[in-house]
Amino acid sequence: DIVLTQSPALAVSLGQRATISCRASESVRSSMHWYQQKSGQQPKLLIYGASNLASGVPARFSGSGSGTDFTFTIDPVEADDIATYYCQQSRNDPLTFGSGTKLEIK
Amino acid sequence: AVQLVESGGGLVQPKESLKISCAASGFTFSNAAMYWVRQAPGKGLEWVARIRTKPNNYATYYADSVKGRFTISRDDSKSMVYLQMDNLKTEDTAMYYCTANFRYWGQGVMVTVSS
Repeated sequence: DIVLTQSPALAVSLGQRATISCRASESVRSSMHWYQQKSGQQPKLLIYGASNLASGVPARFSGSGSGTDFTFTIDPVEADDIATYYCQQSRNDPLTFGSGTKLEIK
Repeated sequence: AVQLVESGGGLVQPKESLKISCAASGFTFSNAAMYWVRQAPGKGLEWVARIRTKPNNYATYYADSVKGRFTISRDDSKSMVYLQMDNLKTEDTAMYYCTANFRYWGQGVMVTVSS
């Protein structure tokens, strides 16, 4: 199985940039996707195919990377962005998720 | 508007069975691969099962943790997807989400397995 490694938490000031990394245990090419999950809600797709913005998602969100190293960025961070962010690969079965990065406001 | 609405969750005892459902609307259901993803309380997301479309022979795939116990199915005429869960274990306790191509998500249904 492909293991996706994320740091557990990140604290950022409002208006600043938040950068979340996701490292895959083997290459997933560009088959990496990012989700936002707010407390008590279902996940929401933000980025698909490593760098493509999902429909209706603000341009403050972006993604980059390929192979094994991926980055998800929020710039600038707003108060509404408090959530846990998950990366997910669809290159190989079983589909796997990272353990999530909880974004906190300083 | 796109909607995915799960139902059928509840409290069951270990080794019992439960079938949860997901009703879809607002998009071309027959063209979408459908998935079940679960989240144990306070934990992360775990993919559970996938069913492809008719042109792909409704092929199904399962996580190792549920293989042989869970069965995913779909009814394109009703825009419904199901998850039949047999021989349930306490570690199957989770919120179960249905999702269409991971683009659209339901609000989830809680399944609790406890004696």
